[in-house]
Amino acid sequence: AQTVTQSQPEMSVQEAETVTLSCTYDTSESDYYLFWYKQPPSRQMILVIRQEAYKQQNATENRFSVNFQKAAKSFSLKISDSQLGDAAMYFCAYRSGLLNTNAGKSTFGDGTTLTVKP
Amino acid sequence: SAVISQKPSRDICQRGTSLTIQCQVDSQVTMMFWYRQQPGQSLTLIATANQGSEATYESGFVIDKFPISRPNLTFSTLTVSNMSPEDSSIYLCSVLRRGGDIQYFGAGTRLSVL
Repeated sequence: AQTVTQSQPEMSVQEAETVTLSCTYDTSESDYYLFWYKQPPSRQMILVIRQEAYKQQNATENRFSVNFQKAAKSFSLKISDSQLGDAAMYFCAYRSGLLNTNAGKSTFGDGTTLTVKP
Repeated sequence: SAVISQKPSRDICQRGTSLTIQCQVDSQVTMMFWYRQQPGQSLTLIATANQGSEATYESGFVIDKFPISRPNLTFSTLTVSNMSPEDSSIYLCSVLRRGGDIQYFGAGTRLSVL
C-alpha cells in the first residue's frame, strides 16, 4: 500500500517570503503521479501543481515549484513571494497510474496548515 | 477542467436517517470516486463508483452503510445510511477524465448528524 507523510502539521511564513512544505511517500509502483492540493476554508480542493514520476524535471507553476527526489521518495513544495491568499491547508497526494492495480486511486497526506503573516 | 456539481452543499440530519449526495459532471469521465474528510483530517477514499455495476469499496467501508450508484458516465450518488454523529464529515466527489492525469473535486457536502 502507498503512504504519504507530511511531517509539518503547521507552517507560517511572512508575506513576500519563501516557504517549503515537506512530503515523503512510499510505494513499490513505477507509474504514479504526485500532486499538491490547496484547501481553503471554503473546502474546495484546488490543484496547485503536479509531477509525473517519469519526468526528472521538477514541475513549476508560477510561484509554486517542487523538489522531486524520486530515489528518496520526497516531493516538497516551495512557495515563493508568499501572498495572503496562499493561506490554506495543503495536501500532498499520490495517485497510482492507470496501469496499476490501484489505478487512479489517490492517497493523501495529513495536510499542512499554512499561515501567511502580513 | 471538469465542472462538478455536488448536492447538497451541506445538511444537518437526525441520527438513524439516511442522506443521498449527488455528483454530476459536465462531461464523460472514466473514473469517479467518493472521499470522506473528517473534521480537521485528511481525505480518505470510500469507494470507486463503477458504471453499471457495484462500487469497489476500500477497507473499512461497506455497501450497506455507503451504497453508491453510477447509472452513467456523468452521474453518481453516495448514500450515507443509518447515520450516527460519527458520520459527520465532508464528503467529496472526485473524477478522472479519460486519458487525463488530473483529478478534479466537487465542492463537497458538509454533513452534520445530531
